[in-house]
Amino acid sequence: NAGVTQTPKFRILKIGQSMTLQCTQDMNHNYMYWYRQDPGMGLKLIYYSVGAGITDKGEVPNGYNVSRSTTEDFPLRLELAAPSQTSVYFCASSYSNQGWGKLFFGSGTQLSVL
Amino acid sequence: ELKVEQNPLFLSMQEGKNYTIYCNYSTTSDRLYWYRQDPGKSLESLFVLLSNGAVKQEGRLMASLDTKARLSTLHITAAVHDLSATYFCAVGEWGDDKIIFGKGTRLHILP
Repeated sequence: NAGVTQTPKFRILKIGQSMTLQCTQDMNHNYMYWYRQDPGMGLKLIYYSVGAGITDKGEVPNGYNVSRSTTEDFPLRLELAAPSQTSVYFCASSYSNQGWGKLFFGSGTQLSVL
Repeated sequence: ELKVEQNPLFLSMQEGKNYTIYCNYSTTSDRLYWYRQDPGKSLESLFVLLSNGAVKQEGRLMASLDTKARLSTLHITAAVHDLSATYFCAVGEWGDDKIIFGKGTRLHILP
């Protein structure tokens, strides 16, 4: 199994550009999450989803959008990129039926907005 | 709003010593996680704690949970250099699907 796959691994954007960060999991997990990690600040939750067609805001949703049309995919869209969105982005998934399971993380996307 | 605080944020210690990392959270929780992150890498799951009094151990690491005190600890026994990493706790609020992370504890173990 591939687990949680994120693409791209690195990306440089110009201010005002848009892009989509891709996240796919092959574990049939119902829960999926997007986090951003800034140096010394831990991980901040951007958006999360408890199943296909259901998404909700996390701690820092402004400037981002998500969709969940399938169980496997949970893309994160950046509209009008800003320097404040320079960060490392992690996607994670977990299985939460009959008890809470651990989060499986992707390898991350390092994004720079210049 | 759920707040998760870890301390210390940075810890430098010698090999062979014992130490404890603390994770406090502000509201009722039904799940607590510990993760390890090496520089430039993703996060690796260490423990999932689901009930009051839960204790889990893996090698030199032991995690415990006191839901009444809203406190979890990660205890390191006889530290070795390979345990140098950043350790995060993360908490899920009871009745909510969000999982909120602490800022992490950067652990540096001196040979």
